Amino acid sequence: DTGVSQNPRHKITKRGQNVTFRCDPISEHNRLYWYRQTLGQGPEFLTYFQNEAQLEKSRLLSDRFSAERPKGSFSTLEIQRTEQGDSAMYLCASSLFPGELFFGEGSRLTVL
Amino acid sequence: TQLLEQSPQFLSIQEGENLTVYCNSSSVFSSLQWYRQEPGEGPVLLVTVVTGGEVKKLKRLTFQFGDARKDSSLHITAAQPGDTGLYLCAPNFGNEKLTFGTGTRLTIIP
Repeated sequence: DTGVSQNPRHKITKRGQNVTFRCDPISEHNRLYWYRQTLGQGPEFLTYFQNEAQLEKSRLLSDRFSAERPKGSFSTLEIQRTEQGDSAMYLCASSLFPGELFFGEGSRLTVL
Repeated sequence: TQLLEQSPQFLSIQEGENLTVYCNSSSVFSSLQWYRQEPGEGPVLLVTVVTGGEVKKLKRLTFQFGDARKDSSLHITAAQPGDTGLYLCAPNFGNEKLTFGTGTRLTIIP
C-alpha cells in the first residue's frame, strides 16, 4: 500500500500525559500537512511542511503542540500535557501539487 | 477572513433519488476540491475544479464551479447507499493550505 500511513490509529491517554503521532506520506510527495477534526466539523489546518521546512503554523497550534519532519520524509506531531479539549481526530495529508491532498486514515486521540 | 458555508448540513434521501449540495464562499477562490469522508477514515479526494464555469463529471457525480469562482455544487444522480458519507468542499484561496467547510452529511436510505 503506497498511501499515507498514520499511527497509532487510536490513542487513549490521561490528561497531562504527552502523546506523539507519526505520519508517513506518499513517498514522492514533498508537501505534508497536519489537520485536526472534531465531531461534526470539517478538518482544521494545523501546520504545513515543504520538504523538512515548516512553512506555516495555525494559531490553533498552541505551545504544547510541536511538529517535525526531520528528513523531509515522515513527520511527527507531539502534544505535551494533553487536555480534554485536545480530543480529536488528527489527520495527516501529503501532496505533490498545492491543494490536492491525500489523507491518511487519521489518529484518534481521546484524553480522559 | 473568508466565510465558507456548505448546505444543507444534513441530507437523508431514498436510494435512486437525485440530490445537490452546495458550497459558498464570501471570497473568490483559485480552485476547489471536493472530498468524501466516511466515519473513522480520512477524507478522500473526489475532484479538483479550477476554471470558473467548469463542469466535471465522475460517473453519477457532477461537479460545477461557479462563474464568479465563489461557489460550487455537487449533484448526485440516482443515489446509492455507497454514496453515504460526509461531503467536504475545500476552496484554495491562493495559499498552500486548504480551508474545509463543515460538510454535508449525506445518508442514502436503501
